[in-house]
Amino acid sequence: EDQVTQSPEALRLQEGESSSLNCSYTVSGLRGLFWYRQDPGKGPEFLFTLYSAGEEKEKERLKATLTKKESFLHITAPKPEDSATYLCAANYGGSQGNLIFGKGTKLSVKP
Amino acid sequence: DAGVTQSPTHLIKTRGQQVTLRCSPKSGHDTVSWYQQALGQGPQFIFQYYEEEERQRGNFPDRFSGHQFPNYSSELNVNALLLGDSALYLCASSDGTGYRYGYTFGSGTRLTVV
Repeated sequence: EDQVTQSPEALRLQEGESSSLNCSYTVSGLRGLFWYRQDPGKGPEFLFTLYSAGEEKEKERLKATLTKKESFLHITAPKPEDSATYLCAANYGGSQGNLIFGKGTKLSVKP
Repeated sequence: DAGVTQSPTHLIKTRGQQVTLRCSPKSGHDTVSWYQQALGQGPQFIFQYYEEEERQRGNFPDRFSGHQFPNYSSELNVNALLLGDSALYLCASSDGTGYRYGYTFGSGTRLTVV
């Protein structure tokens, strides 16, 4: 079954405490692995797309990496404003351009 | 530049009623997809519209239907509402390269069925 699984479900960090979020996927013919940020009551905000194993992308304190089975979102020295739910999604051969999402990781960063 | 606009932002309906949600895509985008996001879950794909036709459909019953207009805006209709239809309904638009460069999502319509 094609699916995307994220862990942990929730993560609490102190400001400045770096960590990583995991996204594992079991899909056939991955075309793109997406990371989105979602604030409460809002729609997902696009962060990154990764296409092939070994690829890395960075944006401010966030860095996304991709292997053949999973993706990581590394957060370096997080700030309280990084608190949000981070969603991982896959576009693959069977989805025909649409996205299959994981349940998300809810990140809380305390000052 | 306005992004994806959805209306209304919140809606309360009674079981058995019908509801229509509206979406205006980002300027320059011609493809509109609808997703349902239950509380604590990731979005689930409902269907996608392109050139005024339903191009793809997820695992949702026929009670869920849609339409796309010549100006690329779209509507999502849900008939015979169930309590389980309570969710955040998200509209996402793209210009055909969304599968590579990401889809732009609206802020959603929060539907509560009582």
